[in-house]
Amino acid sequence: KAGVTQTPRYLIKTRGQQVTLSCSPISGHRSVSWYQQTPGQGLQFLFEYFSETQRNKGNFPGRFSGRQFSNSRSEMNVSTLELGDSALYLCASSSDSANYGYTFGSGTRLTVV
Amino acid sequence: QKEVEQNSGPLSVPEGAIASLNCTYSDRVSQSFFWYRQYSGKSPELIMSIYSNGDKEDGRFTAQLNKASQYVSLLIRDSQPSDSATYLCAVKFSMYGNKLVFGAGTILRVKS
Repeated sequence: KAGVTQTPRYLIKTRGQQVTLSCSPISGHRSVSWYQQTPGQGLQFLFEYFSETQRNKGNFPGRFSGRQFSNSRSEMNVSTLELGDSALYLCASSSDSANYGYTFGSGTRLTVV
Repeated sequence: QKEVEQNSGPLSVPEGAIASLNCTYSDRVSQSFFWYRQYSGKSPELIMSIYSNGDKEDGRFTAQLNKASQYVSLLIRDSQPSDSATYLCAVKFSMYGNKLVFGAGTILRVKS
């Protein structure tokens, strides 16, 4: 069974640019969540999508957005990049069950210079 | 107050000892509890889940849940140097649906 696939693995962008990250969940999983991980802040929840609808949203500015497609694949976009956006961005997929944890992808390491 | 709290550590234990990792959570209607292991430079990996009060064992790992005390722990028996990692506690609260709230993680170091 294939795991969660995130692309690209590494990105270097310049301040002010925008970036799009991609995530393919485990087959059959309709819930996809995104997290930002930095050394100082730990794992911060960005948003969760289920059946193409944003179901939960974290406390991030509007520059961070996402979407989910009918095949459950998801993308997140960050516009007007800032130095502080440098982080590991993790995608996780899950079945829609309270007793089911997330499976994480390998992440995308974003560096903003 | 953070919703899920962990001691950041590092927690150092000798090889072969029992490592005890603790997590407390805020007074919300909680549904399920998870422990993740994260090696440096890698993504979190689910190692244990627990939903009801008591103990749940899986190999060298035991998760313990006490909802009255809002406390969940992870015991690692016969600790190995390969267990050295950051351990993340995560909780699903009913009010948040399927969202997982993570603690900051505890760094575990197993010395050979």
